[in-house]
Amino acid sequence: GAGVSQSPRYKVAKRGQDVALRCDPISGHVSLFWYQQALGQGPEFLTYFQNEAQLDKSGLPSDRFFAERPEGSVSTLKIQRTQQEDSAVYLCASSPRLVAPGELFFGEGSRLTVL
Amino acid sequence: SQQGEEDPQALSIQEGENATMNCSYKTSINNLQWYRQNSGRGLVHLILIRSNEREKHSGRLRVTLDTSKKSSSLLITASRAADTASYFCATAVGGIYSGGGADGLTFGKGTHLIIQP
Repeated sequence: GAGVSQSPRYKVAKRGQDVALRCDPISGHVSLFWYQQALGQGPEFLTYFQNEAQLDKSGLPSDRFFAERPEGSVSTLKIQRTQQEDSAVYLCASSPRLVAPGELFFGEGSRLTVL
Repeated sequence: SQQGEEDPQALSIQEGENATMNCSYKTSINNLQWYRQNSGRGLVHLILIRSNEREKHSGRLRVTLDTSKKSSSLLITASRAADTASYFCATAVGGIYSGGGADGLTFGKGTHLIIQP
């Protein structure tokens, strides 16, 4: 595709539900990042993939958060047993580079609201 | 944690005026980038300046970097209503991806810029 695509754009979940957020990076981009952006704040790093390998997951806030990129293209961020503090915009970004960023290409984000 | 801190948090100016935003950071960097985010949208890359560069231009944008002061500034000249957005600085620390949180960009909290028509 022409850009990074994320779905769903909006998700409302009841507390305790599991959610899955999808990211389709730009074709051929080897690096993929997930960020969490709370209202009025800057994006906070969650995790990084180089192809299918998850090289850094130090930003995942708890073991309820899980990300995968099994074939080195599409990635899914899964949040289990959602809590109200998980409400945020989840941004996916990709890069063609293997070394330290480099311009990142962001998707429009998935806005998660946990009731 | 957020490394960069933008200043001011909010800025309102008249169309045609210049807008200046500042960013301070804490650790040594590989490069510093500026991004724009329109309300409800993703981030768009504006400009990247490497740690060995002091100034860079792109259209109406001018970025400076002072590594001794660990600070950067973004100047938007001849502002337009369409420039209304939040602007974030972001720092890249690592030279190669190495894990441990050094791989991604670290963003500040942003400056919300409003251009009055």
